[in-house]
Amino acid sequence: AQSVTQPDIHITVSEGASLELRCNYSYGATPYLFWYVQSPGQGLQLLLKYFSGDTLVQGIKGFEAEFKRSQSSFNLRKPSVHWSDAAEYFCAVGLNAGKSTFGDGTTLTVKP
Amino acid sequence: SQTIHQWPATLVQPVGSPLSLECTVEGTSNPNLYWYRQAAGRGLQLLFYSVGIGQISSEVPQNLSASRPQDRQFILSSKKLLLSDSGFYLCAWSAPGAGGTQQFFGPGTRLTVL
Repeated sequence: AQSVTQPDIHITVSEGASLELRCNYSYGATPYLFWYVQSPGQGLQLLLKYFSGDTLVQGIKGFEAEFKRSQSSFNLRKPSVHWSDAAEYFCAVGLNAGKSTFGDGTTLTVKP
Repeated sequence: SQTIHQWPATLVQPVGSPLSLECTVEGTSNPNLYWYRQAAGRGLQLLFYSVGIGQISSEVPQNLSASRPQDRQFILSSKKLLLSDSGFYLCAWSAPGAGGTQQFFGPGTRLTVL
């Protein structure tokens, strides 16, 4: 069965520092991969997605992610974090009929 | 453009009372629709999804039910709420057809069962 693992429950970085959020997946076929962001008390917003092609994908708000098939990973990165990036981040694998399996999320805290 | 609405935004209900949460989508036809629950500090649990009117698939056995009376309306219900039903409920839609499409989420409903 498909699964998504986000090993880091909580990450704290200083404003201006670089960020990497880890995501590993288990899926039998070529995956559709997503990163979503959720601000407190809000719904989820798509940051970026990978369907095929270039393994480095660019998203909104300066985020990027790299698909590494050999490592079954899809890590999210940002070179310089802003205080407004503090939120919860979810990695997801897209399945049939539009369904997705989500990881448990990583909460990002940004120190001033 | 497409929009998704959920109401109410917050709800406090006593144990044993009924529940009805509504979700509507505008600007698209025949969407796939989803109900998720997010417990405090946890990820998203898919509760129900629907690929068309009257077509509901339940992902986990529970105290809740879902209905899709119209193409762009998705309702989450319970006859008798339990304490464990507390959480943040998110409705989402995706384009119809094959898998792998992104989902678009509503603003959510915070349900507290006392």
